[in-house]
Order: sequence, then C-alpha cells, then structure tokens
Amino acid sequence: DVKVTQSSRYLVKRTGEKVFLECVQDMDHENMFWYRQDPGLGLRLIYFSYDVKMKEKGDIPEGYSVSREKKERFSLILESASTNQTSMYLCASLTTGRSYEQYFGPGTRLTVT
Amino acid sequence: QQQVKQSPQSLIVQKGGISIINCAYENTAFDYFPWYQQFPGKGPALLIAIRPDVSEKKEGRFTISFNKSAKQFSLHIMDSQPGDSATYFCAARNPNTGNQFYFGTGTSLTVIP
Repeated sequence: DVKVTQSSRYLVKRTGEKVFLECVQDMDHENMFWYRQDPGLGLRLIYFSYDVKMKEKGDIPEGYSVSREKKERFSLILESASTNQTSMYLCASLTTGRSYEQYFGPGTRLTVT
Repeated sequence: QQQVKQSPQSLIVQKGGISIINCAYENTAFDYFPWYQQFPGKGPALLIAIRPDVSEKKEGRFTISFNKSAKQFSLHIMDSQPGDSATYFCAARNPNTGNQFYFGTGTSLTVIP
C-alpha cells in the first residue's frame, strides 16, 4: 500500500511564525504536490515537484516555499504565517505510467491566530 | 482556461437512487480525467478515471461519461448507498504543465437511508 504521511494532523500557529509542514511518501514517486483545501474552492495547487531539488509554482504560491532534498520528502514552508493561510493542507504523490493516480496524505489542519 | 467547473455543490439522494455530478472544462490539452472521493478527516482517494479517447468507463456502481465535443464529463453513481456519502472532486491533467492537475470545487453527496 502506498503511504503518504504528513507530520501533523492539527497545528496552531501565531501570525508571523515560520511554519514547516512535512510530507513523506514510501513509493519512490518522482512527483509530489502540496494543495490547500478550502470550502467552496476545492483543491488548489500551491507547489509541486517532479524531482529532487526541482519545484514548480502552482496556482497560489504566494507566501509559501517548498523544499525537496530527498525523493521521499517534500516540505511546505510558510515564511511568515498569516490568518488567511488558515486552511487544510494536503500533500500528494503521483504514480505515472498507464494511469496517473495521486495518493493523498490525511491532511494538516492549520490554524493561524 | 485551466479551470474545471463542477456542479452541483451539494446533492441529496435517496438510497438506491442515481447520483450525477457534472464537470466542464475549456482546455482541450487535458488528457486525463479522474474523480476523487473524500470522506471527512481523510485525504481524497482516486475513485475512477477516464482518458478522452473513451466515451464511458464503468467500475462497479460508478460510471464516468465523457463528451469530448462538449468538453464535459460526469460521474454517475448507481444504486447510491449511505456509505457513498462523501465529497467528490473531478480533476483534469494538463500534460503541458508537467503533471499538474486542476480540480473542481467539489460536490458534497448525502445519501439518505
């Protein structure tokens, strides 16, 4: 079974703090993604990575950065957390070939106060 | 042009009935159309997917209908069960932007016993 794990299920941070969200996958996938999920807005892509040290901006990268130093680990960084970054954050990794299946982690509910 | 529009936002169906969720897209470069199912507290999981060279795909009680000329695709859940109550997301892959996927805004399905 493919497993994607996220470092925290719930996180509460203060405005201005630097926040690290970590994601680990165990299937040797090259592609990994960070989304945020908000009611009525669906899943919006923040960043994705197609290889170690490679990254691409998604639709809403402002206020975020990412790091991929090892193939299995993809980190999302909020440089200076703001209240409008309160959201559910979902990490995914992608299998490619005949089909393209994204495997999602359970999500991190981040609250910025 | 990268948007995927999903409707309805919410849906209530009697047990045994047919649930239908619709999605529309503009970008004809999209080449893979998955549907994801998400239960509360969990990450989305792939339910069924289709490529644009096929008009229909069926897996058990779940069917995707695909209309390439209209740029629309839909998910049909036959004999809907209370256990199908979840949020459903359609998505589309753009091969011209790496493996980036564009998600609809989600449909909350409630199946009443």
